[in-house]
Amino acid sequence: QQQVKQSPQSLIVQKGGISIINCAYENTAFDYFPWYQQFPGKGPALLIAIRPDVSEKKEGRFTISFNKSAKQFSLHIMDSQPGDSATYFCAASIWGAQKLVFGQGTRLTINP
Amino acid sequence: DAGVTQSPTHLIKTRGQQVTLRCSPKSGHDTVSWYQQALGQGPQFIFQYYEEEERQRGNFPDRFSGHQFPNYSSELNVNALLLGDSALYLCASSLPPYNEQFFGPGTRLTVL
Repeated sequence: QQQVKQSPQSLIVQKGGISIINCAYENTAFDYFPWYQQFPGKGPALLIAIRPDVSEKKEGRFTISFNKSAKQFSLHIMDSQPGDSATYFCAASIWGAQKLVFGQGTRLTINP
Repeated sequence: DAGVTQSPTHLIKTRGQQVTLRCSPKSGHDTVSWYQQALGQGPQFIFQYYEEEERQRGNFPDRFSGHQFPNYSSELNVNALLLGDSALYLCASSLPPYNEQFFGPGTRLTVL
């Protein structure tokens, strides 16, 4: 019940396109859903996060959509740029508990 | 302000040996969590330290142990190394309410 399933495993998008990565969780106690971006040789960096009291959160070109009833959430990257090429991880936790449960990751490549 | 730092960057050990990895949290952060990231996978939570005590633990055997010092820095110790322990070990630090975790660059451990 601790799993977070992420898809797709890899994604290739043309510059200027929309990148979409999906995640599904099982544990209904989860109430904090962050997305992390990881470049080769670096640790994950927090990109954007959402709590279940809202269905969408937007920060610049990055948007999280959240569907509580379906236990799914997704990351949309608008106007994707080559600099967005990285591995993206969704995660889930209980607010304040710190233990993050990560998805398997999506390797995103933006072609110029 | 220095972020989370980890040492060493890379480490090669043989099966059965013991290893100690070190982490200095972001300035002012009092809680440290350790994660194991196998190649091509998402990070998996090992344990968390707060006030020099282990507060939460993931599904890892007791070959994995840790310590937190009064200055909030932390060590991860792994005994009786197995080939499967080869991974990137990430340290993350945080402040209350402990949701945004800042990751270090990791220590790449190779067990031969």
